[in-house]
Amino acid sequence: DVKVTQSSRYLVKRTGEKVFLECVQDMDHENMFWYRQDPGLGLRLIYFSYDVKMKEKGDIPEGYSVSREKKERFSLILESASTNQTSMYLCASSLRERLTEAFFGQGTRLTVV
Amino acid sequence: AQSVAQPEDQVNVAEGNPLTVKCTYSVSGNPYLFWYVQYPNRGLQFLLKYITGDNLVKGSYGFEAEFNKSQTSFHLKKPSALVSDSALYFCAVRDRSGATNKLIFGTGTLLAVQP
Repeated sequence: DVKVTQSSRYLVKRTGEKVFLECVQDMDHENMFWYRQDPGLGLRLIYFSYDVKMKEKGDIPEGYSVSREKKERFSLILESASTNQTSMYLCASSLRERLTEAFFGQGTRLTVV
Repeated sequence: AQSVAQPEDQVNVAEGNPLTVKCTYSVSGNPYLFWYVQYPNRGLQFLLKYITGDNLVKGSYGFEAEFNKSQTSFHLKKPSALVSDSALYFCAVRDRSGATNKLIFGTGTLLAVQP
């Protein structure tokens, strides 16, 4: 069974902290994605990676960075957490082939206080 | 720019009745369309996709979707709703403008099935 695993289901962090969200997939997928989900806004793409050490900005990259040192792992970093980054964060992966679907992790609900 | 729209924030239906969750798209060229479902506090689960071929696509849990090119729609349907179908549903289109196959999502439709 395919699997995308996010390291935490729930996180509470303080304003100004550096926050790491980890995602691991076991499907040997080339592409990995970080989305942010907010009510009424759907899913918005923060960053994606199409290969190891490769990354591209999505629609809302400000305040975030990413790291992909190994094919199976894609990390999202909040350099200095702010309250407006309180949200549900979803990691996904897919094959490079355009016709295939993406697989999602269970999500991390981050609260910044 | 490619996009999808889900015009209804919420759809209410009685158990046993047919359900429809609407999605319209705007793309250049042939669209690659997807439906996902999200149960409370969970990630998204893939339901079905349209790439080419038959306009009626069958997916998981008894769901199907009808692709209509003239109306640029891809509505999700089920003949008989279950209470357990209550969830948040997302329509998505593959972005074909770049080198990767990122998905562009709609804002989601909350389906509430009453017993």
